[in-house]
Amino acid sequence: SAVISQKPSRDICQRGTSLTIQCQVDSQVTMMFWYRQQPGQSLTLIATANQGSEATYESGFVIDKFPISRPNLTFSTLTVSNMSPEDSSIYLCSVEFPESYEQYFGPGTRLTVT
Amino acid sequence: AQSVSQHNHHVILSEAASLELGCNYSYGGTVNLFWYVQYPGQHLQLLLKYFSGDPLVKGIKGFEAEFIKSKFSFNLRKPSVQWSDTAEYFCAVQSSGGYQKVTFGTGTKLQVIP
Repeated sequence: SAVISQKPSRDICQRGTSLTIQCQVDSQVTMMFWYRQQPGQSLTLIATANQGSEATYESGFVIDKFPISRPNLTFSTLTVSNMSPEDSSIYLCSVEFPESYEQYFGPGTRLTVT
Repeated sequence: AQSVSQHNHHVILSEAASLELGCNYSYGGTVNLFWYVQYPGQHLQLLLKYFSGDPLVKGIKGFEAEFIKSKFSFNLRKPSVQWSDTAEYFCAVQSSGGYQKVTFGTGTKLQVIP
């Protein structure tokens, strides 16, 4: 299993600004994932972050809008750039262990853009 | 592309009632299947998973799910629900092989009335 923490837990931001969300895992993992959960909707994968390489983005998500860093095996950041109210959502990071294929999720960051 | 359908968006049951939440997926290959649960104010956590073998899998807290390949279904069941089962339940599918994208259904909110 894994214990995942995210910072901040919530934030209210103004349109046009950027927010960086941090994800810390208590063990080394190869793959980390960033999801978005918009109000009333399911989780949507934004990108997959592999340590030491560029993140892989899903259709509809681009690096300029959601730059991701993965400097080591226990940490990742997701930046939501040039925010608009449509970016209001819960952002979650998760990790997967290859032995079990289970994904463990962080508590999420609730972002409100005004 | 894979997709997941959860037919029940909001279910209200009395304590001791039986529960069955529907989940159908669309994918042409071999899949891993999951049910995740999110209790109010808590992280998403894994309830149960199916990779191979016995199509009837048992998870935590008395939940079970049955994989019916011919129907592309993975329904979640519990014979007798408790108030503490009030939560949102997500079905998810992943193509086999590890580090593959996990696609989530839209979720079912279960409310158990004492």
